[in-house]
Amino acid sequence: QKEVEQNSGPLSVPEGAIASLNCTYSDRGSQSFFWYRQYSGKSPELIMFIYSNGDKEDGRFTAQLNKASQYVSLLIRDSQPSDSATYLCALWGSTLGRLYFGRGTQLTVWP
Amino acid sequence: SAVISQKPSRDICQRGTSLTIQCQVDSQVTMMFWYRQQPGQSLTLIATANQGSEATYESGFVIDKFPISRPNLTFSTLTVSNMSPEDSSIYLCSVESGQGRTGELFFGEGSRLTVL
Repeated sequence: QKEVEQNSGPLSVPEGAIASLNCTYSDRGSQSFFWYRQYSGKSPELIMFIYSNGDKEDGRFTAQLNKASQYVSLLIRDSQPSDSATYLCALWGSTLGRLYFGRGTQLTVWP
Repeated sequence: SAVISQKPSRDICQRGTSLTIQCQVDSQVTMMFWYRQQPGQSLTLIATANQGSEATYESGFVIDKFPISRPNLTFSTLTVSNMSPEDSSIYLCSVESGQGRTGELFFGEGSRLTVL
């Protein structure tokens, strides 16, 4: 059983479009959800976290959480070539006792 | 934000040898985490290193293969012992952000190991 599943990708969108990255999870006790961005050859960096149902916006990024349906998504508006990276979904819950990462979705934004 | 330095950044190793990866943080932290990222795979937690106690290993990882030291609150090492080609991977050191939110991690630059 995989705790975190991400849409496999790769995902390719034109510059200026909305990129939608999705993640589902299996443990209903999960409490905290994170999106990390990893550029090729670099280490992951945290870009968004969300704890409550609904949307959380930060600039061009919006994280969406639906605990009833057990999914979390990341929307990137006005996508830029600099957004091209692998996006890792991660979650934590007290029952899990540790942070779990998905395998990541590779996003390419073409000019 | 924490600044985490790892070395070596990359190395090519022979089968059967061991390599120690160092991780230095610019601030004192309680827990340090060691992850492995194999090509095309997710980040997998190897162990959690607390200063002054034995590291806590995740299922599938054992101390004999991945001994960890944590001599103080800013430094840790991970040794990959008796390496085989299956150990070829990126090894990452990480710490929590310190904002009190579990799961918010800063990562070192990673150590890319290739075992021949």
